[in-house]
Amino acid sequence: DTAVSQTPKYLVTQMGNDKSIKCEQNLGHDTMYWYKQDSKKFLKIMFSYNNKELIINETVPNRFSPKSPDKAHLNLHINSLELGDSAVYFCATGGAIYNEQFFGPGTRLTVL
Amino acid sequence: AQKITQTQPGMFVQEKEAVTLDCTYDTSDPSYGLFWYKQPSSGEMIFLIYQGSYDQQNATEGRYSLNFQKARKSANLVISASQLGDSAMYFCAMSPNDYKLSFGAGTTVTVRA
Repeated sequence: DTAVSQTPKYLVTQMGNDKSIKCEQNLGHDTMYWYKQDSKKFLKIMFSYNNKELIINETVPNRFSPKSPDKAHLNLHINSLELGDSAVYFCATGGAIYNEQFFGPGTRLTVL
Repeated sequence: AQKITQTQPGMFVQEKEAVTLDCTYDTSDPSYGLFWYKQPSSGEMIFLIYQGSYDQQNATEGRYSLNFQKARKSANLVISASQLGDSAMYFCAMSPNDYKLSFGAGTTVTVRA
């Protein structure tokens, strides 16, 4: 069983479209995250949810809206996609002991 | 704000030799965690090792060890007996009390046969 899964793995879309990325974890962790890795491989946190509540929002444009229907899921919806949104998006979940974070496989988003 | 610095963009190491990846950090938080992650060319992020700011001993996990020097604010990763499968990008990260991870720019390691 995959601990943190994301769908889709690849997403190619046109500018202006709306798309969603889904994330599910089966580790029973309370905290989930979205990170963005740009073309230079730099990783930056976008959002953090704890028990379905938003606790970190790192000045991400409001075109990005995370939604956590339950503790095991944290989805990312992006409206009006722009070229600069092209990146790899990672979902992660926080460990209980010292918050080592376990990452999903990533979703490579390409906006044309 | 936290800042993580990895000054080595790329390194080459001979198989079976050890390699040290540098990481320095800056934080005003008294309590924090330091992490290293591996990202192979396949893209996934693999957690390697953790060091707590109050831990007295350096962390070790198999062939990975973390050389933690708190006064110098450094948390270098040592990979011993390098293997071809160690070729990857390695990220140092720090998490203060608010749990988010701040990452360095990464170091690419290439292991030569």
